[in-house]
Amino acid sequence: ETGVTQSPTHLIKTRGQQVTLRCSSQSGHNTVSWYQQALGQGPQFIFQYYREEENGRGNFPPRFSGLQFPNYSSELNVNALELDDSALYLCASSFKWAGELFFGEGSRLTVL
Amino acid sequence: DAKTTQPNSMESNEEEPVHLPCNHSTISGTDYIHWYRQLPSQGPEYVIHGLTSNVNNRMASLAIAEDRKSSTLILHRATLRDAAVYYCILRPHTGTYKYIFGTGTRLKVLA
Repeated sequence: ETGVTQSPTHLIKTRGQQVTLRCSSQSGHNTVSWYQQALGQGPQFIFQYYREEENGRGNFPPRFSGLQFPNYSSELNVNALELDDSALYLCASSFKWAGELFFGEGSRLTVL
Repeated sequence: DAKTTQPNSMESNEEEPVHLPCNHSTISGTDYIHWYRQLPSQGPEYVIHGLTSNVNNRMASLAIAEDRKSSTLILHRATLRDAAVYYCILRPHTGTYKYIFGTGTRLKVLA
């Protein structure tokens, strides 16, 4: 059984650029959640996808968007990057929206 | 969203029990209490969860106060590998199942 995998692990972008982060959920899981973790802070909920539909969203602007594919993998897209978007982006999968979360190791984004 | 309060940091000696407290005075009747921990350079991992009764698993025990306004995560014998940030989270039973993480408790285990 493979766990949650995220790519890329590290990346550097400049202000105004766009970024796509990818997540493969754990086998058998149909729900994916994305979290942003700034340095020294706890993770903050961005949104959740269940069966390819957005199932809830945190306090993030529309330039944060996502997709979930039929195989339950997911993408997080961030447009018009700002310096404050520098953070660790964590993907978590679960079986249904109420299940225990299994996190990947994250993608560390640096915006210069 | 119901909020949790945890001490910023705690220390423990190796092979001794550790009691990590969490206050959640605004908890609602249908909120589950979850604990996750985050080891250095890793994503958070599930530890334990409960609703009303005390819970045990291979990693830890969760003691929930009778009024549910506080809970304690108990690591029975701390090891160096248990050094992590521990998050106490209230998860609603219905609606969007988002987890509201606070800043957690950084546990340092001394050899």
